[in-house]
Amino acid sequence: NAGVMQNPRHLVRRRGQEARLRCSPMKGHSHVYWYRQLPEEGLKFMVYLQKENIIDESGMPKERFSAEFPKEGPSILRIQQVVRGDSAAYFCASSPSPGLDFYTDTQYFGPGTRLTVL
Amino acid sequence: ELKVEQNPLFLSMQEGKNYTIYCNYSTTSDRLYWYRQDPGKSLESLFVLLSNGAVKQEGRLMASLDTKARLSTLHITAAVHDLSATYFCAVLITGTASKLTFGTGTRLQVTL
Repeated sequence: NAGVMQNPRHLVRRRGQEARLRCSPMKGHSHVYWYRQLPEEGLKFMVYLQKENIIDESGMPKERFSAEFPKEGPSILRIQQVVRGDSAAYFCASSPSPGLDFYTDTQYFGPGTRLTVL
Repeated sequence: ELKVEQNPLFLSMQEGKNYTIYCNYSTTSDRLYWYRQDPGKSLESLFVLLSNGAVKQEGRLMASLDTKARLSTLHITAAVHDLSATYFCAVLITGTASKLTFGTGTRLQVTL
């Protein structure tokens, strides 16, 4: 069973460009979470999605950031008009539907995408 | 707003020594997790603690939870170099859409 997959692993963008980060959850997982980690800091929650639904986007910046998890295909975190402050590692995590791993709801993390904005 | 604090932030210890990392959180939690992160890598799940008094052990690491004190500890016994990493605790509160709130992390360096 493959783990959570993210691509690209490294992404370099110039200021003003768009960044698209992709996440494929573990097989059988229908919940996806995005977190951001700034250098030397812990992870900060951004958004929680289920298929075709955004459940909680309380951690998303109000502008330039959006996320989706379509019926088919990976979840996408999109950052428009990137700025230097967007440079960070972006981690995706997935968890099973309640009932399959209800008692732990452990979130399994992908390898991350390290975004560098020049 | 939920706050999760860890201490120490940085820990340098010799092989063979014991030490404890502390994780305090500010509100009632349903579950507490410990993760390990190696430099440039993703997070590896170590433990999940579900109830007051829960204790989990894996090798040289032991985690415990005191929900009344809102405190979790990660105890390291007879440290070895391979344990060098950053350790995060994370708190989950159901009803908040299952998002994890992470602590600041403890960077552990085990020296020979």
